[in-house]
Parts: sequence; structure tokens; C-alpha cells
Amino acid sequence: AQSVTQLDSQVPVFEEAPVELRCNYSSSVSVYLFWYVQYPNQGLQLLLKYLSGSTLVKGINGFEAEFNKSQTSFHLRKPSVHISDTAEYFCAVSEMGGGNKLTFGTGTQLKVEL
Amino acid sequence: SAVISQKPSRDICQRGTSLTIQCQVDSQVTMMFWYRQQPGQSLTLIATANQGSEATYESGFVIDKFPISRPNLTFSTLTVSNMSPEDSSIYLCSVANRRETQYFGPGTRLLVL
Repeated sequence: AQSVTQLDSQVPVFEEAPVELRCNYSSSVSVYLFWYVQYPNQGLQLLLKYLSGSTLVKGINGFEAEFNKSQTSFHLRKPSVHISDTAEYFCAVSEMGGGNKLTFGTGTQLKVEL
Repeated sequence: SAVISQKPSRDICQRGTSLTIQCQVDSQVTMMFWYRQQPGQSLTLIATANQGSEATYESGFVIDKFPISRPNLTFSTLTVSNMSPEDSSIYLCSVANRRETQYFGPGTRLLVL
């Protein structure tokens, strides 16, 4: 069975600074990888996904992530954050051929400060 | 991506009662799922809603507590039965077609007193 580890429960950062949210996964088979964002009192919005192909994927709102198979990581980055990026970010994985079942990490609360 | 709506958006219920949550999609989808997000926690898959047959439940979730229906390819319901305060959570439905990508509804925020 797959598992996802988000090492940082909270990440404070100043506006316009770069940020990296870390995600590592464990699986015995090939996987699909996702980042979702949850703004306060809202549902989950898909930020970006890795299904195949280029290991560097770009998503909405200026976010990008890089799939590193050897390190089993899928870290999320943004070169310059904005106050509006304050939210909870979830990394998720599903196994190829696993029936679309998503396993989520515990989430990282990104708090952007002035 | 599909537009997903849930009803109700939030509710406050008394213990021992049941609440049925609806999930409606604006287009036909292959798969529908129900998740629970307990306060301050991540998401946990409750079950896969199967069209025309019984839902497939994950370990720790049972049909008597969380009966699910999916009468067609655009609609599903989740009932939280005989509620207790421990059932206070956000309940989210998600949908997927091909390419393994799930899209989530806005969630139903449930408080059980």
C-alpha cells in the first residue's frame, strides 16, 4: 500500500519570498502524484499533477513541482508567494492500476505574512 | 473539469439522527468517491460509489453507518447514520474519469451536538 509523508505541518513565509513544500511517498508500484490546495472553508482544488512524461510539472497560480523517482519525492515550489496563497496544501498519490484511490498526506499549512 | 455541487453545504445535527448528503455533477463521470476530513486532519477515503451496485467501502467504514447510493452517472448520496459528535467532519465527494485525476466538491461541514 502507498503512503505519503508531508514533513512540514506548517510553513511560515514572507510575501514575495520563495517557498518549497515537501512531499515524499512510498509505493511498490508506479504512481500518479497530485497537489491539492484547500482555502479556508472551501473544498479541494487541484493545483497540479504528474501522470507521465516531463518530471517538472507546472500548475495553476504559479506553482510547480518536480517528480524525483530516485528520491520518491514530489516537492511543490513557488518562486514568489502572495498573501492569497495562504492555505492548506495536500500531497496525494494513487497507484497505477489502483482504481483511482487517492492516499493523502497530512497537509502543510502555508502562512504568508507581510 | 466537471462542476460539482454538494447539499447541504453545512449542517448542525443532534446525536442519534441521520443526515443525507447529496453530490451532483454537471456531466457523466466514471467514478465517484466519498471522503471524510476530520477537524485538523487530512482526507480519508470512505468508499467508492458504484453506479447500479453496492458501494465499495474502505477499512474502518461500514455500510450500516455510511450507506451510499449512486442511481446514475451524475449523482450520489452519502448518509451519516445514528450520528455522534465523533462524526463531526467535512464530507467531500470527488469524481474522476480517465487519467486518474479526481476533482472535489466544495464539501459538507457537519457538526453533531
